[in-house]
Amino acid sequence: QLQLQESGPGLVKVSETLSLTCSVSGGSISSSSYYWGWIRQPPGKGLEWIGSIFFTGSTFYSPSLKSRVTISVDTSKDQFSLRLTSVTAADTAVYYCARRQLGGGGAFDIWGQGTMVTVSS
Amino acid sequence: DIQMTQSPSSLSASVGDRVTISCRASQTISRYLNWYQHKPGKAPKLLISAAFNLQGGVPSRFSGWGSETDFTLTISSLQPEDFATYYCQQSANSPPTFGQGTKLEIK
Repeated sequence: QLQLQESGPGLVKVSETLSLTCSVSGGSISSSSYYWGWIRQPPGKGLEWIGSIFFTGSTFYSPSLKSRVTISVDTSKDQFSLRLTSVTAADTAVYYCARRQLGGGGAFDIWGQGTMVTVSS
Repeated sequence: DIQMTQSPSSLSASVGDRVTISCRASQTISRYLNWYQHKPGKAPKLLISAAFNLQGGVPSRFSGWGSETDFTLTISSLQPEDFATYYCQQSANSPPTFGQGTKLEIK
């Protein structure tokens, strides 16, 4: 059974770079049927898509975050990563990694448990 | 971006009740609409994809309907494990966007 697990620092300072990694187990990230993405949820707010990556390295980013986001993939490790630069308190959130279906409804069908990241001065 | 609006934002109901949650898109999305269940501290769970396709392992008391701009998620007979927050999400256009959520609470 495919599982996703986020890892990375839980505390990042204002203006610094947030870096998270998602490890995929029980399956391969090198599938032509799925994208791999990041979604976040600030405290008390809804879900916001950050971006997605295909195993070939093709990326798709939220327009509102595009200038600060980089998503990369390491197929040899079945991992993909998120970098968010110049963070502010508004970037405090639970960050989820998720698998997204390429066809069908384009749904996010498997999610990680999420990791809380707090941005503090 | 396509805006997704859910109603109600919160809902109190009892075990055994039938409940319906609505989701409206700011422009037509055909049937590119997905529903998720989210419990605190857990990973969100995909319930329904493409408006009405029930995911494997999801109880048949959950059902989805709609097309274009108006969609519904119905739980035919609430069970204790169904109390959670529910989100709709459109995948017709990029960026994919979510509704603000409907919190289903025990009455």
